Amino acid sequence: QQQVKQSPQSLIVQKGGISIINCAYENTAFDYFPWYQQFPGKGPALLIAIRPDVSEKKEGRFTISFNKSAKQFSLHIMDSQPGDSATYFCAASFDSGGSNYKLTFGKGTLLTVNP
Amino acid sequence: KAGVTQTPRYLIKTRGQQVTLSCSPISGHRSVSWYQQTPGQGLQFLFEYFSETQRNKGNFPGRFSGRQFSNSRSEMNVSTLELGDSALYLCASNQVSGNNEQFFGPGTRLTVL
Repeated sequence: QQQVKQSPQSLIVQKGGISIINCAYENTAFDYFPWYQQFPGKGPALLIAIRPDVSEKKEGRFTISFNKSAKQFSLHIMDSQPGDSATYFCAASFDSGGSNYKLTFGKGTLLTVNP
Repeated sequence: KAGVTQTPRYLIKTRGQQVTLSCSPISGHRSVSWYQQTPGQGLQFLFEYFSETQRNKGNFPGRFSGRQFSNSRSEMNVSTLELGDSALYLCASNQVSGNNEQFFGPGTRLTVL
């Protein structure tokens, strides 16, 4: 059972464009939704995270939009740059008996930003 | 502030052998999580330790085990290795400060021949 579904699998964007990656979750107990960025040979690095009490969070060029009723959340990368080319993972967890450090990940999106 | 350290970075083993991987979390972090990353299954949670106690476990067979020491360093062990255990094993260091932020190490690349 895949509890977090991520799309698309791969995405090609021109420099300066907007990259949009979507995720949908099934478990309504989830209350923490982070996005991670991973470069080849490196571990995932936290980009931005959101909790269900807000519908949008922005940090620099990165924005998370969250739709609790639809059980969906998305990452928007504004003014995409070649240096943003990486694999992006959405994830979810919930605060219960230490489960907040048990992340359920989406399958990942390989983003390529062409110069 | 030093990051998460994982050793070794690369390992080659043969089927049937066992392996031990090590993780040193960020100084002051008392919780460590382990994940397996493969092209087919993606990132999957193995287990999480806090103050030397396993608090959570993922859906992996008993061949996968771990422990945490009093200095918060953690090890994971895989016994009777199978070809399918070839993966990147990632350790995450957790702040345990009211947020859920996890900091990942570079991983250990295990190849089983």
